[in-house]
Amino acid sequence: NAGVTQTPKFQVLKTGQSMTLQCAQDMNHNSMYWYRQDPGMGLRLIYYSASEGTTDKGEVPNGYNVSRLNKREFSLRLESAAPSQTSVYFCASSGRTSGGIGTDTQYFGPGTRLTVL
Amino acid sequence: GEDVEQSLFLSVREGDSSVINCTYTDSSSTYLYWYKQEPGAGLQLLTYIFSNMDMKQDQRLTVLLNKKDKHLSLRIADTQTGDSAIYFCAERRYSSASKIIFGSGTRLSIRP
Repeated sequence: NAGVTQTPKFQVLKTGQSMTLQCAQDMNHNSMYWYRQDPGMGLRLIYYSASEGTTDKGEVPNGYNVSRLNKREFSLRLESAAPSQTSVYFCASSGRTSGGIGTDTQYFGPGTRLTVL
Repeated sequence: GEDVEQSLFLSVREGDSSVINCTYTDSSSTYLYWYKQEPGAGLQLLTYIFSNMDMKQDQRLTVLLNKKDKHLSLRIADTQTGDSAIYFCAERRYSSASKIIFGSGTRLSIRP
């Protein structure tokens, strides 16, 4: 199992450009999440999807949109990038398991480092 | 992460114990987690504790939970250079089962 994968790993955009960050998980998890990580601020939740077909705003949703394409995939779109969106973006997924932790523990992807000039 | 607080930095000597502290505010928290983030990587779950437990030990890791004071700590025994990372405390609240609230992370550095 690959776990949670994200593409691209790195991206540089100019102000006003748009792009979509892709995320996929192969653990059959119901819930998926998008976070951004900024120095000294930890992780802040942008959007999440508790189950296929639903999405909800997190702490910092402005300037972003999401699509839960199917159970595996959850994409994050920046319609008009701004320098304030320069950050590292992490996707995560979680789901109840019959064994192991079974606590909806979140599993993270490797991150996308985005720079907006 | 404003409701989950951690100090930003900790420096310890190799071989000593490291203790990373965390405070949270929501008494309805169900699970509390410690995640580790190595440079250039995503977060990796280290350990977790259910809110009705006081302590959990897993090899070199010991988690202590003081629910009355809403204080969580992670002790790493015999700290090694490979333990250098950022450690995040996180809580899952009963009121929002799908979301986890993260602290800002503690950067652990190891001195020779």
